[in-house]
Amino acid sequence: GQQVMQIPQYQHVQEGEDFTTYCNSSTTLSNIQWYKQRPGGHPVFLIQLVKSGEVKKQKRLTFQFGEAKKNSSLHITATQTTDVGTYFCAGTQGGKLIFGQGTELSVKP
Amino acid sequence: DGGITQSPKYLFRKEGQNVTLSCEQNLNHDAMYWYRQDPGQGLRLIYYSQIVNDFQKGDIAEGYSVSREKKESFPLTVTSAQKNPTAFYLCASKDSGLRTGELFFGEGSRLTVL
Repeated sequence: GQQVMQIPQYQHVQEGEDFTTYCNSSTTLSNIQWYKQRPGGHPVFLIQLVKSGEVKKQKRLTFQFGEAKKNSSLHITATQTTDVGTYFCAGTQGGKLIFGQGTELSVKP
Repeated sequence: DGGITQSPKYLFRKEGQNVTLSCEQNLNHDAMYWYRQDPGQGLRLIYYSQIVNDFQKGDIAEGYSVSREKKESFPLTVTSAQKNPTAFYLCASKDSGLRTGELFFGEGSRLTVL
């Protein structure tokens, strides 16, 4: 079936270290979205990437969409305790939005 | 302020009982969605509605039912036929005219079956 695989499932870092989460699809995606869910909260939209090879930045966050539009990554530079939460990618396949399993990030001060 | 309101936030149910989760939005969005979230899993789509009086099954619709009689409201009923209903339920809406297609989520309803 349609799937978007996201790794790793968990990531524990020391404050100040970098963090990356990856999403992969076996089929081409029309676009990919990223969401952040704080502990006990609900997902909040971060960004959408549409173009092949697209790179977008939001302060310490860098989002990439692969050339083949089958993979994407979110990189956080110099993590802070406020970055704690679960990061989800969601790719659009055939008009349907498919969520990855999420990467739970914990940051040790 | 515009947003999506889900209620109740926490709900306990005995086996064999139906429960209805409320979702109301004042964002004037046409499309509304119900997702289920389980630990370690992504969000799985239960039902969605693109317009009033119309809705479609998502990937895991069995044991659930919905209605869309008003644009603002999209309640979800978890029936006794749902074999494993304990989960976190998220309602979302989308502005069909918005370029980004982002989903706006409510704060969720946590259902526990005793």
